[in-house]
Amino acid sequence: DTAVSQTPKYLVTQMGNDKSIKCEQNLGHDTMYWYKQDSKKFLKIMFSYNNKELIINETVPNRFSPKSPDKAHLNLHINSLELGDSAVYFCASSRLASETQYFGPGTRLLVL
Amino acid sequence: GESVGLHLPTLSVQEGDNSIINCAYSNSASDYFIWYKQESGKGPQFIIDIRSNMDKRQGQRVTVLLNKTVKHLSLQIAATQPGDSAVYFCAEYTGGGNKLTFGTGTQLKVEL
Repeated sequence: DTAVSQTPKYLVTQMGNDKSIKCEQNLGHDTMYWYKQDSKKFLKIMFSYNNKELIINETVPNRFSPKSPDKAHLNLHINSLELGDSAVYFCASSRLASETQYFGPGTRLLVL
Repeated sequence: GESVGLHLPTLSVQEGDNSIINCAYSNSASDYFIWYKQESGKGPQFIIDIRSNMDKRQGQRVTVLLNKTVKHLSLQIAATQPGDSAVYFCAEYTGGGNKLTFGTGTQLKVEL
């Protein structure tokens, strides 16, 4: 049983394209997150939603737009992809905003 | 500013030995710390956590120590096994308790 799932696992695309990554959690958690992990393994928070409301919005280009249709889903849409967007993107969830976060398997994005 | 850092980027240990992974943090107001393990190609996996009202917490083969005086956190792994090979991250809740800030990670290599 997958607790936090993401699709797709791999995404290879051309510069300038628009793409979306989807995340779903079946843990009944209220809070969901998007992280970016760079080539040096550094993990940085991008966004956090609590019960479909945005609570954290780090310094992220506005080409990145999260969307939470319900509290079990948090999708990430990226417009006009750039080479520097290549990274692994992780979704996570927690029961409440200040509790243990559980991560998905990641989406490996490569922009050519 | 806030920072969570690790002293050693790579740690090599012999199978069966104990491993100690260290982490320094700078925000004295932080009150919740989590250790994650990330295996190659996977998402971070929760190992153990500790709140600031404790100085030690034990799990199965793992122990986390918290020294608030010097703002230091460590993860001890007993009888290290090949399956323990991974990148280990300490993480700290900052920003009023909503944002999880990750350290830079330590690569643990277990030699047979």
